[in-house]
Formats: sequence, structure tokens, C-alpha cells
Amino acid sequence: GENVEQHPSTLSVQEGDSAVIKCTYSDSASNYFPWYKQELGKRPQLIIDIRSNVGEKKDQRIAVTLNKTAKHFSLHITETQPEDSAVYFCAASTRNRDDKIIFGKGTRLHILP
Amino acid sequence: DSGVTQTPKHLITATGQRVTLRCSPRSGDLSVYWYQQSLDQGLQFLIQYYNGEERAKGNILERFSAQQFPDLHSELNLSSLELGDSALYFCASSPREGGNIQYFGAGTRLSVL
Repeated sequence: GENVEQHPSTLSVQEGDSAVIKCTYSDSASNYFPWYKQELGKRPQLIIDIRSNVGEKKDQRIAVTLNKTAKHFSLHITETQPEDSAVYFCAASTRNRDDKIIFGKGTRLHILP
Repeated sequence: DSGVTQTPKHLITATGQRVTLRCSPRSGDLSVYWYQQSLDQGLQFLIQYYNGEERAKGNILERFSAQQFPDLHSELNLSSLELGDSALYFCASSPREGGNIQYFGAGTRLSVL
């Protein structure tokens, strides 16, 4: 079945710098890759997603890139701010198959003042 | 507020007991997903229902079961509870089948003593 590896497990960056979180997946049939942000004590919330027919997607300070050949995708956060501190989860799923969505183990991002 | 309602918010029970967690999806959403999140752990996919039928199964224990009712609300039943079942249980809903944004509820925190 699908397996999603996420790195690093913890990331500390200075406020204003960029943060990059990387994920790899195993099932080449996966075609939908969402990223969720979970603040302490709160529910996960979608921040950006990408489908397999697109190589990159941007939304203000957040961007996601997808390399289907290498089966990896990354989250890029630029000009980091204190409110970016949270746990970020990547996920992969295969639409129109068994609809199972597999999450990575998460990256705890700390934005340092 | 995501529009997904989970009850109760907190549940404290003893080992060997049985509990039922309830989830009401967003209006119009046909898919319901259940996840388990243990302390400092990622989101473990348990099971998905689509329009009343089981659609996908993850790492769900045999002691756990779920169902989705005609009004689309879902219940997760946990029986013969063990200390290790203590976790945050999230429900998420999605408009259609797989490969779509999931909207998470606030979760039910289960403590097994």
C-alpha cells in the first residue's frame, strides 16, 4: 500500500527565512497531495494541495512542488512569520481507487524570533 | 469553524469499556473519514464511508467499528478499551469521494484510565 515519508520531523527557522518540508510517496498511482497545518490543540486545516497534472502551485507565501518521476513533493514557506509555527502534515491519495489517504508523520515547525 | 461537528469533545472512561464517538459532516458532504492521533503522532487513517457505505479501511483495530447512517452522520465505536487507545479522534468530511479537500472536526479526546 501507499507509504508517505516526511522530513524533517522538526524544523526551526529564523523569522523571515524560508522553510522547506519534503515528502516522498511510494504508490505511483497517487494523484492528489494535500498539505495540512495543525496548530497546537486545534484541528488540521488544509493550506494547499496539488494534483498530479500540475508541477507547482503557489498561494501567497506558500508553494508546493511535485516531482512525479521521483515521487516526491515539497512545501515551501517564504518570509516565515510567528503564526507559521505549527505541525505540518503532507498526505497522498489516489482518487477513484480505494480513496485511502495516507498522511506523513508531520513536521513541527518553530519560527524563531 | 469547519462545519464538521464531533461529540463529545472529551471522554474519560476505564479499560474494558465501550464508547461511541459521533460525527456530523458538513452539509452536503457524502464522505466521512475517521483518524486517530496519539500524542506527538501523526494522523492514522482508520476508515472512510461514502454515502453510507464503507469505502476504504486503514489501520483500524478489530475492536473498533464504524458506520454511516442515512442522514450521513457517522459513529465510531471503540470497545474493550485499552490504555493505548487514549488519543484524539478526528472526523473529517469531504464533498465527494477521494482526492478532495477534507474538512476536519475539532476532535474527541479519549482518555482511557
